[in-house]
Amino acid sequence: QKEVEQNSGPLSVPEGAIASLNCTYSDRVSQSFFWYRQYSGKSPELIMSIYSNGDKEDGRFTAQLNKASQYVSLLIRDSQPSDSATYLCAVYSGGGADGLTFGKGTHLIIQP
Amino acid sequence: EAGVAQSPRYKIIEKRQSVAFWCNPISGHATLYWYQQILGQGPKLLIQFQNNGVVDDSQLPKDRFSAERLKGVDSTLKIQPAKLEDSAVYLCASSLISDYNEQFFGPGTRLTVL
Repeated sequence: QKEVEQNSGPLSVPEGAIASLNCTYSDRVSQSFFWYRQYSGKSPELIMSIYSNGDKEDGRFTAQLNKASQYVSLLIRDSQPSDSATYLCAVYSGGGADGLTFGKGTHLIIQP
Repeated sequence: EAGVAQSPRYKIIEKRQSVAFWCNPISGHATLYWYQQILGQGPKLLIQFQNNGVVDDSQLPKDRFSAERLKGVDSTLKIQPAKLEDSAVYLCASSLISDYNEQFFGPGTRLTVL
């Protein structure tokens, strides 16, 4: 049974600070890792993909992957109120079935 | 580039009724997925198509759910008969065939079963 674990929060961060979101996964052969942002009443929006160990930066977002520790994180710099949303971590293990395994999401609140 | 299209956006039905959802993937995306998202949970895969063939339907409740993807483009997901616990958002996603499997979601259909 593949599992993806996230702290459900809420995680409250002051505006302008760095928000740090974490995710662990159980399947060691996982090969692709994604962060989706989901606003209330909306569908998930892909914001970051990462495939190899290390950091990947895109604007204010940095994804970090450590396959040895089975750990993925998302950093949001200079947090804005518009970043308030639920952030879903998703993992792809490859093979014949290509569905993503999602965590339950972390609810992030940016306080003005 | 147009995104994934879904309809209807909202549906309210009585239990034991039937309902159908439609999805049109991003142009050129061979792989199409249906997910179910219950409030407070992450999406859960129901079925995956590649072109018009089923790749994975291991989590589809086949006694009441069915799906098809004729001609390898549009897809429909049907529930018959619906139960109260089917109340959820039904999300369609699509992706290119690749090693990385980036998936893009449509707006979803919010189903309420009374």
